[in-house]
Amino acid sequence: SQTIHQWPATLVQPVGSPLSLECTVEGTSNPNLYWYRQAAGRGLQLLFYSVGIGQISSEVPQNLSASRPQDRQFILSSKKLLLSDSGFYLCALDRDGSPLHFGNGTRLTVT
Amino acid sequence: GENVGLHLPTLSVQEGDNSIINCAYSNSASDYFIWYKQESGKGPQFIIDIRSNMDKRQGQRVTVLLNKTVKHLSLQIAATQPGDSAVYFCAENRVGAGGTSYGKLTFGQGTILTVHP
Repeated sequence: SQTIHQWPATLVQPVGSPLSLECTVEGTSNPNLYWYRQAAGRGLQLLFYSVGIGQISSEVPQNLSASRPQDRQFILSSKKLLLSDSGFYLCALDRDGSPLHFGNGTRLTVT
Repeated sequence: GENVGLHLPTLSVQEGDNSIINCAYSNSASDYFIWYKQESGKGPQFIIDIRSNMDKRQGQRVTVLLNKTVKHLSLQIAATQPGDSAVYFCAENRVGAGGTSYGKLTFGQGTILTVHP
């Protein structure tokens, strides 16, 4: 079965510091990968998606970037965090029309 | 832009009752709808989905109804249990025939379901 690993589960970072969140998947190949963000008490917003290695599409302008160096690895990064980057970051995958499957997320607090 | 929203932000029910969670969408071109359950501190968990060529789909204890005329989606949970307590999100997408981007979803704000024993 498909498994999504995200780490760390929680993270507290100061404003202006860099960020790297990693997502790796198991049990599938050539998935579409997604980064979503969820603000407190809100729905999810799509940030990036990738249909293959090195292929990244950004959905909203922001202070973040994404990379996919390997088929089953998706990384979310920032050079300098802002307070507004705080939130719950969720990696997700789908393949061949399957429903979107989410990982358990990383809760980021920027202080 | 187009959005998906919920009529009720909170819903409290007694164990054993049926629950109905409603969702309105505004993009008439949407053709794929999905419900998720999210427990505290966890990622959303898939419940059930439906394509626009259907108006009803049933799963285990859950039923999704789609009314394209009024752009309304609902999730019915039969015999609600305390373990059903969570936030429920509807989401939509325009996939098209033979589409593959099922994951580019627009989410509603969520409904908090509380089940009292």
